[in-house]
Amino acid sequence: RKEVEQDPGPFNVPEGATVAFNCTYSNSASQSFFWYRQDCRKEPKLLMSVYSSGNEDGRFTAQLNRASQYISLLIRDSKLSDSATYLCVVNMRAAGNKLTFGGGTRVLVKP
Amino acid sequence: EAGVTQFPSHSVIEKGQTVTLRCDPISGHDNLYWYRRVMGKEIKFLLHFVKESKQDESGMPNNRFLAERTGGTYSTLKVQPAELEDSGVYFCASSQEVFSGEQYFGPGTRLTVT
Repeated sequence: RKEVEQDPGPFNVPEGATVAFNCTYSNSASQSFFWYRQDCRKEPKLLMSVYSSGNEDGRFTAQLNRASQYISLLIRDSKLSDSATYLCVVNMRAAGNKLTFGGGTRVLVKP
Repeated sequence: EAGVTQFPSHSVIEKGQTVTLRCDPISGHDNLYWYRRVMGKEIKFLLHFVKESKQDESGMPNNRFLAERTGGTYSTLKVQPAELEDSGVYFCASSQEVFSGEQYFGPGTRLTVT
């Protein structure tokens, strides 16, 4: 079983619509959670950290459910520029500072 | 402020040859990481330097891979001899804090072994 699992998609989203997707992690000792964004043939870039209380950054909302071991990302009012692969990333301090990546969820926003 | 840079951007080599990848982290970042993405798989951790010391090299696949960080500045990752399964994109990242999920990634080196 993969440590971090994501639906690969693609999620085809009309411009202006809302899209949400989850990722699950297998290790309950995981402590920090992040969403990274990766454009085609580019490097991953941190989109946002995910806090236990949930957090919002503009049109993006992230939630963490420790009991069920999943993280979610919701994008409101989707823009064409939101088209990318969204990587769910987990960090365990006990395992040093290495990041554990999911395979990514591809989102395509269409006019 | 300059970001993480990597060289070369692409490398095509034959099986059995040697390749050396270079990473220059963001100035002042003591933490430097190497990751790899092989085709169809997720990005996987290779190793972590704190300054010139290897903090964690648990992700290095085998002894054909050698990473160094001279003087705690730039880092090199040498693959010798290269095998077909080494093909992929090698990312370098750096961070200021040790325990930080905010790692800044370089553009990657796309390695193709034929």
